[in-house]
Order: sequence, then C-alpha cells, then structure tokens
Amino acid sequence: AQKITQTQPGMFVQEKEAVTLDCTYDTSDQSYGLFWYKQPSSGEMIFLIYQGSYDEQNATEGRYSLNFQKARKSANLVISASQLGDSAMYFCAMREGDDSWGKLQFGAGTQVVVTP
Amino acid sequence: EAGVTQSPTHLIKTRGQQATLRCSPISGHTSVYWYQQALGLGLQFLLWYDEGEERNRGNFPPRFSGRQFPNYSSELNVNALELEDSALYLCASRASYEQYFGPGTRLTVT
Repeated sequence: AQKITQTQPGMFVQEKEAVTLDCTYDTSDQSYGLFWYKQPSSGEMIFLIYQGSYDEQNATEGRYSLNFQKARKSANLVISASQLGDSAMYFCAMREGDDSWGKLQFGAGTQVVVTP
Repeated sequence: EAGVTQSPTHLIKTRGQQATLRCSPISGHTSVYWYQQALGLGLQFLLWYDEGEERNRGNFPPRFSGRQFPNYSSELNVNALELEDSALYLCASRASYEQYFGPGTRLTVT
C-alpha cells in the first residue's frame, strides 16, 4: 500500500504567488517524521523542511511552511512568494516509527513550474 | 562544509556487466543511505549502512549489494545488470533527523 500520496502530478504557479502542495500519509505508528525535498532538473535532492509527529506547531523554514493536520494525516507544503528558481519536482517523504534513523519513503512527487 | 559527493556522475554499462557506484558522506556523518530513482517510479530505498554495518535493505534482489568503509564512505555494487536498472542512484548521509543527498549517479544500461 502506498504510504505517501501526492495527488498533484504537476502545477503551474505565477511568480510571487503562494502555492500549496498536497501530501497525505499512511502509518499506524505514533512516532514518525515528515519531510519535504526539492529536486531541480540537476537531480540533487534538497532538504526543505521537517515535521515530527509530536511537534505541536507547524514547521516553518523561510518561505516554506508545513501545514500539519495529524488527524487527517496530511502534511501539505506551502511555498509563499514563489520565485522562478522554485521550479522543480517536490517530494514528500516519511520516516516511520522505531526506524528512527532509517529509510525515507517518498511520494511520487509534484512538478512545480513557476511562470513570470 | 563539503556536501555528500558521488562518483561517477554518469555510468554507461551493458546488460550483464557489473556497476560500482561510490559515495562519500558529509564529514562526521556515519550513516549512508542509497536510493534508486527510476523513471516514473519515484525514489525507492535500497540500502542503509551505519558504522560499517548494513542496517536495513529495501525490496531489491541480492545482486544489489554494497559496503561501508571505515571512513564511512560507501560503495553500491550492482551485478548482472538489467535494462531496468537504468536509473539515478542517490546517496544520502544523515545528521539528526534529515538526510542530505548527493548529486547522484546516472546509470544507463544498454
């Protein structure tokens, strides 16, 4: 079964606008971590933001914020004031339970294109 | 601080050959992870090494193997290459909770 679901294969957004990328996850563990990564066309995965399952406040990192809704098992990424350089593939990922330092499970990704 | 490095950048092999991919983690990181990103399949976890030991393995056949050296660098070996092994192979090292990725090795099997 798919653990991470990203339902938006691609999105267009205008420069300076905000964009929300959807991510839902499936786990029965109480302890888990949620991550967002950006992958430009160069291929390198760039860490953006992290949310722990016990964190009460939504994570924020500069223009990135994570809208964490635990009951809905949702961890949407919000990019404010989009820039042309934000054009990339965005992946949501999860680290489950006791496997605290182990593997990440990734969603299929959302391709974001920022237009002038 | 230098990031995760991987070599080679590109690798072209023929079916049945062996491929060796290398990864150097960020200084001080002891855990190395390998992921495969095949076209249309997203990132799939391959292997995790920590302190020289294999800690976890993804759902891949035994012809995918690797090791971690005393300096924490790592090798991924793929034996008896098949066409579907063509992919971007990403290595990551860990600090705290996040994993930092290298630029990847693009393996093409013809």
